[in-house]
Amino acid sequence: AQKITQTQPGMFVQEKEAVTLDCTYDTSDQSYGLFWYKQPSSGEMIFLIYQGSYDEQNATEGRYSLNFQKARKSANLVISASQLGDSAMYFCAMREGRRSSASKIIFGSGTRLSIRP
Amino acid sequence: GAVVSQHPSWVICKSGTSVKIECRSLDFQATTMFWYRQFPKQSLMLMATSNEGSKATYEQGVEKDKFLINHASLTLSTLTVTSAHPEDSSFYICSARISSVIYNEQFFGPGTRLTVL
Repeated sequence: AQKITQTQPGMFVQEKEAVTLDCTYDTSDQSYGLFWYKQPSSGEMIFLIYQGSYDEQNATEGRYSLNFQKARKSANLVISASQLGDSAMYFCAMREGRRSSASKIIFGSGTRLSIRP
Repeated sequence: GAVVSQHPSWVICKSGTSVKIECRSLDFQATTMFWYRQFPKQSLMLMATSNEGSKATYEQGVEKDKFLINHASLTLSTLTVTSAHPEDSSFYICSARISSVIYNEQFFGPGTRLTVL
């Protein structure tokens, strides 16, 4: 069963607008971590933001914020004031058993974000 | 953040040959390293989890005799694609986990693009 679902294969957004990338997840663990990564055309995976399942507040990192709704099992990424350099693939990911050395990160299918000037 | 390197960054080989990809954590010790595979326009699929000094744990459907993983030290893991075929052409990404109890962070290498002719 798919554990990370990203329903938006592609999105176009006007520069300077805010954009929300959707992510839902499925897990039976109480302890887990949620991540967002950016992958530009070069292929490198750039870590953006992390949310722990026990974190009470939504994570924020500069222009990135994570809208964490635990009951709905969603972890949407919000990018404020989008820039042309934000054009890339974005992956939502999850690690179950947050502090277990055996835990592994699995990825959603990704959303290709294109920023229009 | 911590730096993970991969070598080579790209490789072209003939069908039937073996290719070795190195993954190094440059400024930290990684007890656990992960190998992912990414086909064009697709997500990262976890192939195996590699722990220093022990055998790798392969994901379902990944041939361990085809993809040999060695994690001989806390800073180096290697993936060898044996008897490569065109269908093995892909983007291979390694990831290394900092062995910190608190953060348990994971960093990704820049990837290796393998093309098998």
